[in-house]
Order: sequence, then structure tokens, then C-alpha cells
Amino acid sequence: EIVLTQFPDTLSLSPGESATLACQTSRNVYTYLGWYQQKPGQAPRLLMYDASTRAPGIPARFSGSGSGTQFSLTISSLEPDDSAIYYCQQRSEWPPSFGGGTKMEI
Amino acid sequence: QVQLVESGGGVVQPGGSLRVSCEASGFNFNFYSIHWVRQTPGKGLQWISFVSFDGNNKYYADSVNGRFSISRDNSKKTVILQMNSLRPEDTAMYYCVRGNYGGSYVFDNWGPGIWVTVSS
Repeated sequence: EIVLTQFPDTLSLSPGESATLACQTSRNVYTYLGWYQQKPGQAPRLLMYDASTRAPGIPARFSGSGSGTQFSLTISSLEPDDSAIYYCQQRSEWPPSFGGGTKMEI
Repeated sequence: QVQLVESGGGVVQPGGSLRVSCEASGFNFNFYSIHWVRQTPGKGLQWISFVSFDGNNKYYADSVNGRFSISRDNSKKTVILQMNSLRPEDTAMYYCVRGNYGGSYVFDNWGPGIWVTVSS
């Protein structure tokens, strides 16, 4: 199973700043990587798939990049509502697997 | 809008069985694969099962293979996860998730989840 490592574990930033979250995979996943946002008491929500394609309804403040084994999610102009845990997920190899998450506090 | 709603969770003793259901609405259910993903504080998010749009293909994580069974009824827009021989480590929040985009392993809509607790 492909292992996904996310860093940092936690991130504390102020409104208006930008955040960069990283995800590293144990094997090449090409661009078959997605990002999810989970707020307390809620299910995860798809933000990004195929590394850089925003899901419907996701604002342009969210952008993704990377390929191979190194990926990042950048969130600009941070808002308090962006406080959440962010997970990456690969679909290159079966079984699909998730990273351990980055908790971001605004 | 797309909705997935899980039901049937609860507390069960080790070795017992439980059936959780997922009812879908707001989209053409016949066209989409459905997955179950579970979440625990200790192990995070774990994909556990997939059923193709027509029910002909089913896959399971190694951790549940042989104990869990997935099925769907397109006429009722429902997916069932039958869980047998439950273990304490199966305790988790279980999410019903729609698969979309290339290969159906992009999880684009999630149900609110349902708790399954395996404890004596």
C-alpha cells in the first residue's frame, strides 16, 4: 500500500495569510492525488483531484500542484472558516490510501 | 443536491454482525460507483469497500475481506454493507461515499457518517 506523509502536522496562521500544505507519497502516483477538507463534526469534503483540478464550488483561493511523489495544497487569503484538517489521498494504486492529515488553525 | 445518508449503525459485541445502509438521492445513482470509507482517531481515514455502478465489481480492503460484503439495489438507490465477525478494531465512523472522475476513486460526495462500535 502506498503511504502518504503529510507535513506539517499542525499549522497556525492568521487571516489573510497564505498556507502551503505538503503531501509526500512512498511511490510515484503521477498526478492521481486529491485533497480533502474536514471540519469538526463533519465528513470530509473534496477540494482538489488529479493534483491541481478544483472540485466544483471550490474557490480559486485553493490551488494544488505536484506530480510523482511530492504534492502541495496552497490556500491564499486565509479565512477563519478554513480552520480544518486537510487530507491527501492517492488513487494511483489499489487500495486507495489517505495521508494522516494536517490540522490548520486560523 | 447530491445526498448520501447512512443508517443502521450502533453497538455490537465482538464476533457479531451489523448491516449499515446508504440511501442516495439527488443524482443518477445508476451511473456512479459507491464506496465505504471509515475513520478512527488512531488510524485516520481508511478505504474499505467499493461497488461498481452496476454492482458487478466489488472490492475490499484486506482488513475486512472475507468479513464484510457490499451490495447495491439500483431500484432503491441503496447500498448495503454487511459486516460480520466484527472486531474491536472495526470501531469507527463509517462513511458512504460517491466515486467520480477517472477510475471512480475520487471521493466527491460523502454522507454524514454513522458510528459503529464493537465492544463487549
